[in-house]
Amino acid sequence: DIQMTQSPSSLSASVGDRVTITCRASQSISSYLNWYQQKVGKAPKVLIYAASSLQSGVPSRFSGSGSGTDFTLTISNLQPEDSATYYCQQSYRIPRKTFGQGTKVEVK
Amino acid sequence: EVQLVESGGGLVQPGGSLRLSCAASGFTFSDYSMNWVRQAPGKGLEWVSSISYSSTTIYYADSVKGRFTISRDNAYNSLYLQMDSLRDEDTAVYYCARDQSASGGFYYYFDYWGQGTPVTVSS
Repeated sequence: DIQMTQSPSSLSASVGDRVTITCRASQSISSYLNWYQQKVGKAPKVLIYAASSLQSGVPSRFSGSGSGTDFTLTISNLQPEDSATYYCQQSYRIPRKTFGQGTKVEVK
Repeated sequence: EVQLVESGGGLVQPGGSLRLSCAASGFTFSDYSMNWVRQAPGKGLEWVSSISYSSTTIYYADSVKGRFTISRDNAYNSLYLQMDSLRDEDTAVYYCARDQSASGGFYYYFDYWGQGTPVTVSS
């Protein structure tokens, strides 16, 4: 199975900051990488698919980049409502679309 | 509006069974593959099972293979997960999620999720 490793596990940043979360795959997955946001007590919500494509309705302060084994999710101009846990997911080795362990973002 | 509503969760003893349902609305259910994803308390997301739009292709995570059975009824816009021989480690919130593809079917992601139904396996 492809292992997905996110870093950091958690972070705290201020409103207006630029935040970067990284995700590393245990083997090359081309651009088959998705990002999800999960708020406490809620279902996950897709933000980015195919490494860098913004899902419809998602604010443009969210962006994704990378290919191969290394990927990043960037939140520009961090907002209070961005407090959540963020997960990466590989869709290269379907159907086993494994997730990273998550990164918890706290907005101070 | 796309909606996915899970039901059927609850408390069950180890070794017991439970059947989860997911009622879909707001889209042509028979056009989409569907998935079950679970999340143990305080833990991350784990893909559990997937079923193609016509039920011809079914997959399971190794952790549930042989114990869980996914099915769907397109006439009733419903997805199911029959869970047998339940273990403590199956305790989780179970979500149904719709498969979406982009770029002509090269990229897949889960674009809609239900609110989840909790399953607790405990004696």
